[in-house]
Amino acid sequence: GESVGLHLPTLSVQEGDNSIINCAYSNSASDYFIWYKQESGKGPQFIIDIRSNMDKRQGQRVTVLLNKTVKHLSLQIAATQPGDSAVYFCAGSGTASKLTFGTGTRLQVTL
Amino acid sequence: DAGITQSPRYKITETGRQVTLMCHQTWSHSYMFWYRQDLGHGLRLIYYSAAADITDKGEVPDGYVVSRSKTENFPLTLESATRSQTSVYFCASSEISGNLPQYFGPGTRLLVL
Repeated sequence: GESVGLHLPTLSVQEGDNSIINCAYSNSASDYFIWYKQESGKGPQFIIDIRSNMDKRQGQRVTVLLNKTVKHLSLQIAATQPGDSAVYFCAGSGTASKLTFGTGTRLQVTL
Repeated sequence: DAGITQSPRYKITETGRQVTLMCHQTWSHSYMFWYRQDLGHGLRLIYYSAAADITDKGEVPDGYVVSRSKTENFPLTLESATRSQTSVYFCASSEISGNLPQYFGPGTRLLVL
């Protein structure tokens, strides 16, 4: 079945630097991927998504890259700010309209 | 526009009691989902619904019951709560197709003593 995982449990980045959070997936049939941000005590918040017919998608300060060859996607955050401190999840489409979520990477922004 | 709301936000109950967690969305989304979030497991799907009166099991459905008589509401019931059901529960919704962003509620923190 689908499994989605993140490479690092915690990522520490200095304010103003760029952040890169990585994610690997196992199901070649997955055609949709999504990144969420979860702040402490809150529900996951949608950041950006990408379909498998794309390699890259940009949003406001965020970019998602998809490498289908190695089944890897990444979330890049430009000019990381203290408000970006949170846990970031990737998720991939599985079967029957369901998403499979990774366990998350905690992003810590240092001043 | 409230979006998606959950109630209660916090709940303490005892083993064996019945508990119902409420979820309400104002977007008229067809799909609704219930997840639980535990340390080390990420978000795990309990039940989901593609439309009113259509529900299906997710990854961890045992001990839970759902119903969906109206599009906007998707209550989750723990028929006889157990300590292993202590968790944070999130409701989510998405538009017609399931492979679109799911939007999450603020969560319900449930403690079963």
